Amino acid sequence: AQSVAQPEDQVNVAEGNPLTVKCTYSVSGNPYLFWYVQYPNRGLQFLLKYITGDNLVKGSYGFEAEFNKSQTSFHLKKPSALVSDSALYFCAVSHNKLIFGAGTRLAVHP
Amino acid sequence: GAVVSQHPSRVICKSGTSVKIECRSLDFQATTMFWYRQFPKQSLMLMATSNEGSKATYEQGVEKDKFLINHASLTLSTLTVTSAHPEDSSFYICSARPGYATEAFFGQGTRLTVV
Repeated sequence: AQSVAQPEDQVNVAEGNPLTVKCTYSVSGNPYLFWYVQYPNRGLQFLLKYITGDNLVKGSYGFEAEFNKSQTSFHLKKPSALVSDSALYFCAVSHNKLIFGAGTRLAVHP
Repeated sequence: GAVVSQHPSRVICKSGTSVKIECRSLDFQATTMFWYRQFPKQSLMLMATSNEGSKATYEQGVEKDKFLINHASLTLSTLTVTSAHPEDSSFYICSARPGYATEAFFGQGTRLTVV
């Protein structure tokens, strides 16, 4: 069975500092991995995905993620956080259906 | 990216009544759409997979008679919460994936409050 773990409920970062939101996965076969962001009372917005190819994936709003097969991880990163990045972030894995992690709330402080 | 539109964004209804939520793919056809439920400060729980022209596939523990899904066309799926109760109050989100994409796109969600 496929599953996704986001070990941190919340991540706090000062504006301008780098941020990392962690994600590990468990899936048989080659995974399709995704990051989505959710703002209050809104649906999810697609940020980036890993399907195949380069382990470092670049996405929207300056975010990137690194696929690490040996550690079964797909951590989300950004070199310099903005206050407007504060939101709820979901990691997801897809086999035949999309399964989400529990979500990590990112709080960027001025 | 592709656009998925969900309506209404917010609805309040009385206990015992039924509520219909629409999910439309605006610029692509979707043979499959997905319905999720999200409780406050929690993740999205997949409720069912909506299949155009056939019956929906429900996840374990989801009452198919309570949550009726109809996918009558390639651009529209509806979720009807029947005989709503306060415990059905939640945030419902639909998604669809265009045939040309590997990622899913989501509607803006519907906040249902049953009073």
